[in-house]
Order: sequence, then C-alpha cells, then structure tokens
Amino acid sequence: EPEVTQTPSHQVTQMGQEVILRCVPISNHLYFYWYRQILGQKVEFLVSFYNNEISEKSEIFDDQFSVERPDGSNFTLKIRSTKLEDSAMYFCASKEGLAAYNEQFFGPGTRLTVL
Amino acid sequence: GNSVTQMEGPVTLSEEAFLTINCTYTATGYPSLFWYVQYPGEGLQLLLKATKADDKGSNKGFEATYRKETTSFHLEKGSVQVSDSAVYFCALSFNTGFQKLVFGTGTRLLVSP
Repeated sequence: EPEVTQTPSHQVTQMGQEVILRCVPISNHLYFYWYRQILGQKVEFLVSFYNNEISEKSEIFDDQFSVERPDGSNFTLKIRSTKLEDSAMYFCASKEGLAAYNEQFFGPGTRLTVL
Repeated sequence: GNSVTQMEGPVTLSEEAFLTINCTYTATGYPSLFWYVQYPGEGLQLLLKATKADDKGSNKGFEATYRKETTSFHLEKGSVQVSDSAVYFCALSFNTGFQKLVFGTGTRLLVSP
C-alpha cells in the first residue's frame, strides 16, 4: 500500500542552524501539507502546497520557513535559522484531490530537537 | 476561530472495556469532523469521519456521531483490544480551500490484557 515517508525520523540541531526535513508524498497526489506538534500541544497546520506554489500558510509559517518540491517526488520543509521553540514533531501529509472522499495521508513524522 | 478540544489522556482500560474519548469543537460554519489514530512509530491514519450533522462515522468497531447541538464528536468503542492502544486525534476541516485540518491535542489510549 502506498505511504508517505519522512526522513530523518529524528533530527538534533543547534540553535541558529538550518534544517531541511524531507517527505516523499504518495506518487499520484497533488496536494501537500506540513503540520507540527509541540510536545503536549495541538497538531498545528503550517502550510499547504499545490502546483508548485504555497496555497495557504498559517501565522506560524514566517520568513524562517520555506517549502519546496525540488523534483517529482520530494517535498521539503526548510527552517533557515532554528529557534528553541521550533522543537516539535513535524508531519507531512498528501492528498490526491479535493473531493470529499479524498483523505489526507500522513507520514510518521520527524522529531526535531533544537538545543 | 476554529478549534478542537479533546479529553486529556492517558486513558487506561482493560481489554473488552467500553471506550469513550470526548471531543468538542468550535467552528464558524459547518465543518467535516474526523478521528485520526497514530500507532507507535507510524503516521496519523484516518479512522472515521462525518460530513454533516447526525452523520455517524464508523470503522473497525469505532464510531462517532456528529452532534451539531452539542458541537461534539465523541469516539466510542464497545470492547477495546490491546491492539487499539494508540494516540487518537479529533480534527475538523471545511470543504473549501485546501481543506487544512484543525486538530485537538490527541488522547493516548492504553489497553492492558
């Protein structure tokens, strides 16, 4: 069964460093999303992406964040200069279409720890 | 704004016990409601959903009814198994735009033999 994959599963970085979180969505999906969950808090929407453009972003997704689909398979989230408060679990999701029966499929997450 | 509130966990039950995980929502408009489940080491998986008031979503023995009057979508299962141990997330989205999900904090369920 097709699945969304994410790498790495755990990333440890120093404050101020750049990190890139990688996702491989399901191959025929067209809509891509990033969410994050700070420990003990809600899963929060960060950004949605379609047709090589950001379609919607939350107020969390400031200039430190960027997303890219560099080739036909990967979907990346870059944090330019990490802060302590960026420590969280980051989930990637993809969706085939916007019909009501299409569901978002999630990856297992990348745990980011900023020291 | 739109938000989802779930009961705090963990919920600890013995096998074959009855499960309820409470979920209430605040929304402007009429969202679709979802329950997602996350097993250890895996991504969030859609468990069930309901798209309008009084709809009942069901899957794998779990069910939840969309109650507009109480703005609730409580998850229930008549007899839990050890394999149901996981984190359960309640969520909503609207059928407009790119349908981002708004999640609750998740409730961890631990079922012992």
